[in-house]
Amino acid sequence: DIQLTQSPSFLSASVGDRVTITCRASQGISSYLAWYQQKPGKAPNLLISVASTLQSGVPSRFSGSGSGTEFTLTISSLQPEDFATYYCQQLNSYPLTFGGGTKVEIK
Amino acid sequence: EVQLLESGGGLIQPGGSLRLSCAASGFTFNSYAMSWVRQAPGKGLEWVSAISGAGDATEYADSVKGRFTVSRDNSKNTLYLQMSSLRAEDTATYYCTKCSATCWHAWFDPWGQGTLVTVSS
Repeated sequence: DIQLTQSPSFLSASVGDRVTITCRASQGISSYLAWYQQKPGKAPNLLISVASTLQSGVPSRFSGSGSGTEFTLTISSLQPEDFATYYCQQLNSYPLTFGGGTKVEIK
Repeated sequence: EVQLLESGGGLIQPGGSLRLSCAASGFTFNSYAMSWVRQAPGKGLEWVSAISGAGDATEYADSVKGRFTVSRDNSKNTLYLQMSSLRAEDTATYYCTKCSATCWHAWFDPWGQGTLVTVSS
């Protein structure tokens, strides 16, 4: 099985900060990685597919990059509504695993 | 608008069985693979199962293989998850989610609101 390691697991930041979350895969997954945002009590919401494709309606301050085993999600200027937990997911091979999550909280 | 609405969750004793349903609307259901994902209270996301659009191909996480069965009724636009031999560690909110033509090499969008399954005596 492919393991995904997200770092950090917890991040404290201020409004306006640039935030970067890393997701490392235990083996190469090409670009088959997605990023999701989850707010408390809500279902996850797709932000980015295939490593770097921003979903329709997602603000342009979100961006994704990477391929192979190392990927990043960047929020260029953190907004109040961005405080949430973020998950990466590999869709290269079954089982379709998720990273452990990164909780972004207000400093 | 694509909508996914799960139902069937509840409190069940260890060893029991439960069937979850996910009613889909707003898209051509039989053209899309579907998945189930669960989230234990306060924990991260765990992929559970996937099924092809025609229902002729299925995949499972090792943690549920042999105990859970995913199926779909394309005439009713409904996805199912039959869960048996339930354990305390199956306690979670279960989400259904739409993939693309396959779940492999695709993404999950959108997700339903989830249904809570609690396994406890």
